[in-house]
Amino acid sequence: LAKTTQPISMDSYEGQEVNITCSHNNIATNDYITWYQQFPSQGPRFIIQGYKTKVTNEVASLFIPADRKSSTLSLPRVSLSDTAVYYCLVGGIQAGTALIFGKGTTLSVSS
Amino acid sequence: DAGVTQSPTHLIKTRGQQVTLRCSPKSGHDTVSWYQQALGQGPQFIFQYYEEEERQRGNFPDRFSGHQFPNYSSELNVNALLLGDSALYLCASSLGVGWQDEQYFGPGTRLTVT
Repeated sequence: LAKTTQPISMDSYEGQEVNITCSHNNIATNDYITWYQQFPSQGPRFIIQGYKTKVTNEVASLFIPADRKSSTLSLPRVSLSDTAVYYCLVGGIQAGTALIFGKGTTLSVSS
Repeated sequence: DAGVTQSPTHLIKTRGQQVTLRCSPKSGHDTVSWYQQALGQGPQFIFQYYEEEERQRGNFPDRFSGHQFPNYSSELNVNALLLGDSALYLCASSLGVGWQDEQYFGPGTRLTVT
């Protein structure tokens, strides 16, 4: 299963765009890239998922280069409520594998 | 539409005891996965249930066992509790066993072992 590497923490101010990059050099052909958000004492919440190129939803954008060895989660105009831990995961239909969460990136948004 | 629910919310047990945690998946979901999250760490995958069978398992000892019922709800059992088992236990449900399927997490059960 592909291992992911992402920054431990990031700081931002309200209204700024935040980009969190995740490295997954050993991603497999059938792996998808998924980002989750977690607030303290809550379960993670799905943000966005992609396989290649760019995906956008009402919350975020996900940029995936052609080699798929990295991905970037983009949060437009963050607010204080975006302060959370963000996890990058890769996985697909692979029997016997597990979905592995790393330590994630703690994003702190200040006013 | 109810999301994933877990019970109890909090639990305090003594070393050596046994505990059972419960999870009801989101309506329409047929797959339940369990995770353990220690303070300051990401969730660690314990196992996944689909069609009442354990389909995948993470690196957890046999003290951790589970069950899925015909209505897709699930239980996590932990025997011979250790202090290190203190954590937030998360249940996630999805439609299908592939990891590309969006998982919906419950609020978790906070287990404290003294």
